[in-house]
Amino acid sequence: QAVLTQPSSLSASPGASASLTCTLRSGINVGTYRIYWYQQKTGSPPQYLLRYKSDSDKQQGSGVPSRFSGSKDASANAGILLISGLQSEDEADYYCMIWHNSAWVFGGGTKLTVL
Amino acid sequence: EVQLVQSGAEVKKPGESLKISCKGSGYTFTSYWIAWVRQMPGKGLEWMGIIYPGDSDTRYSPSFQGQVTISADKSISTAYLQWGSLKASDTAMYYCARRDSSSHTFDIWGQGTMVTVSS
Repeated sequence: QAVLTQPSSLSASPGASASLTCTLRSGINVGTYRIYWYQQKTGSPPQYLLRYKSDSDKQQGSGVPSRFSGSKDASANAGILLISGLQSEDEADYYCMIWHNSAWVFGGGTKLTVL
Repeated sequence: EVQLVQSGAEVKKPGESLKISCKGSGYTFTSYWIAWVRQMPGKGLEWMGIIYPGDSDTRYSPSFQGQVTISADKSISTAYLQWGSLKASDTAMYYCARRDSSSHTFDIWGQGTMVTVSS
């Protein structure tokens, strides 16, 4: 079982909100991890969006709009990237990442379609 | 402007060796870790390893240990990723990325180097 699991795809309408999940493998407690989120548009390198561990330990990437935010769902053992007021330019692949067992681990990515 | 500029695309045959580069500018190169990340065609991101150019301290992902070598030449602010014997399965886009010491994340990325290995 992968360390981080993300749904492969998600669709949402312009102006709506999208909640992208990053589920940690059973036995790995989401509460103890900082979760990093990246956005990758077609043909471009990834761009850092934000980091979230708790409301007191979070960071927004430079220039990243506040409509991108992070949270956690402890009951689901998952990190969440919430994008509000979706715009067509938000269509991209989104990756979560953690530092686990002395290695950086990425989730498989979610392709967000805005239509 | 802080940036990482990678070397150009490569087309190689199986068994050949290769070294690609990542040149940093606009910041103190020796003060930030540089990571390498693989992205196979149509697939996700995989962390390969990381180097601190200040003292060449290097860490590898278990998945890539022994498969590649990461190095740096701080005199020319350049990090490298090299293979001794390429395989078709090494075909991928390779990115270098700077690890920011305050956010602990990869805040600056190179444009990527596409490596194609085909007979």
